[in-house]
Amino acid sequence: DTGVSQNPRHKITKRGQNVTFRCDPISEHNRLYWYRQTLGQGPEFLTYFQNEAQLEKSRLLSDRFSAERPKGSFSTLEIQRTEQGDSAMYLCASSPHPSRQGHSSYEQYFGPGTRLTVT
Amino acid sequence: KNQVEQSPQSLIILEGKNCTLQCNYTVSPFSNLRWYKQDTGRGPVSLTIMTFSENTKSNGRYTATLDADTKQSSLHITASQLSDSASYICVVSAYSNMLTFGGGTRLMVKP
Repeated sequence: DTGVSQNPRHKITKRGQNVTFRCDPISEHNRLYWYRQTLGQGPEFLTYFQNEAQLEKSRLLSDRFSAERPKGSFSTLEIQRTEQGDSAMYLCASSPHPSRQGHSSYEQYFGPGTRLTVT
Repeated sequence: KNQVEQSPQSLIILEGKNCTLQCNYTVSPFSNLRWYKQDTGRGPVSLTIMTFSENTKSNGRYTATLDADTKQSSLHITASQLSDSASYICVVSAYSNMLTFGGGTRLMVKP
């Protein structure tokens, strides 16, 4: 399977604990995105990497959230001191570098997500 | 503020029937509009993507339309199947990377 993979698929943690999620993008995709999705809502943008550089962060990404992509391949999203409001599906997506070959290069391919439950 | 509004929020139809989902947006400047299908507990999967110059795009039984003047889009599903039961999300991009998602329409197809 050469799609975007995320681990773990499910995580249950107690309030106050730290959690870390991993995303492996499609190989050769230099752009990687993190989104958060709560039940019944569309995904909300959190942050975006081009290669190893974190180019944009949403104000949804509080100080307790940190994302890294150290070698420009896989990425991790860490949430420190989790709160019940952090319970959501965390989605990762990747896309290739845009080119003049057409707008298909803007396509973002999503992983299956990591569902976080904070008790 | 960039916004994407979808209607209806939920829809129940019988297998074999057609349906149309609506999307209105205020995202500017407009780059492209996408429709995604999201099965419960899974990540979204792209159905169509349209730029400013395209006003219709088909993918099998799915046909999307775009009116950039009125900032409206629709997704028409023909001859629905049970496997079409999912959330359908309209997503608008102001430039190549940043996406604004609608809240989705939850479609249930009943036998």
